[in-house]
Amino acid sequence: AQSVTQPDIHITVSEGASLELRCNYSYGATPYLFWYVQSPGQGLQLLLKYFSGDTLVQGIKGFEAEFKRSQSSFNLRKPSVHWSDAAEYFCAVDWGGSQGNLIFGKGTKLSVKP
Amino acid sequence: GAVVSQHPSRVICKSGTSVKIECRSLDFQATTMFWYRQFPKQSLMLMATSNEGSKATYEQGVEKDKFLINHASLTLSTLTVTSAHPEDSSFYICSAGYPGFVEQFFGPGTRLTVL
Repeated sequence: AQSVTQPDIHITVSEGASLELRCNYSYGATPYLFWYVQSPGQGLQLLLKYFSGDTLVQGIKGFEAEFKRSQSSFNLRKPSVHWSDAAEYFCAVDWGGSQGNLIFGKGTKLSVKP
Repeated sequence: GAVVSQHPSRVICKSGTSVKIECRSLDFQATTMFWYRQFPKQSLMLMATSNEGSKATYEQGVEKDKFLINHASLTLSTLTVTSAHPEDSSFYICSAGYPGFVEQFFGPGTRLTVL
């Protein structure tokens, strides 16, 4: 079965430090890749997405992600974390491009130390 | 553009009652809407997919008689939790999409608490 893995359940970084959240997916057809952020009690906000083209994609709030087909990965990065970035981050993958096949990872909770 | 709303944002009900949650696409016509469920500290699990004017397709393990989904128009889908029990307490999130577009647009979610 197709799956999405976020190996880190909880990450704590200091404010101003760099951040990388990992996401791996099982092999399948051309993936459509997404990163979402969720604050407590809130819905999902799309940070960025990759459909095709340049494998390094820029998103909102200073986030970027790199698609590496050979590693089946789509890691999220930010060079300098702000306290307001503390939230839950979800990686999601859609195989085949047809709606309804969006599979979410279990999420990574980000805490930011002052 | 592509804004999806949900109503209510929070609802508390007594066990045995039914609760209706609305999902609306505000600025586009959503031929397909999705309902997800999220338990505390867990990821989103797809419950069902609904297409306007047809019956919803439920994921394995989701009781269709308990979670009634209606997608009567291109801008509105409703999820009714019938005879709610405490174990139905959860965060319900809808999303919407339209043909030819991979991305789903998510609503803000509804927190259901069943006492």
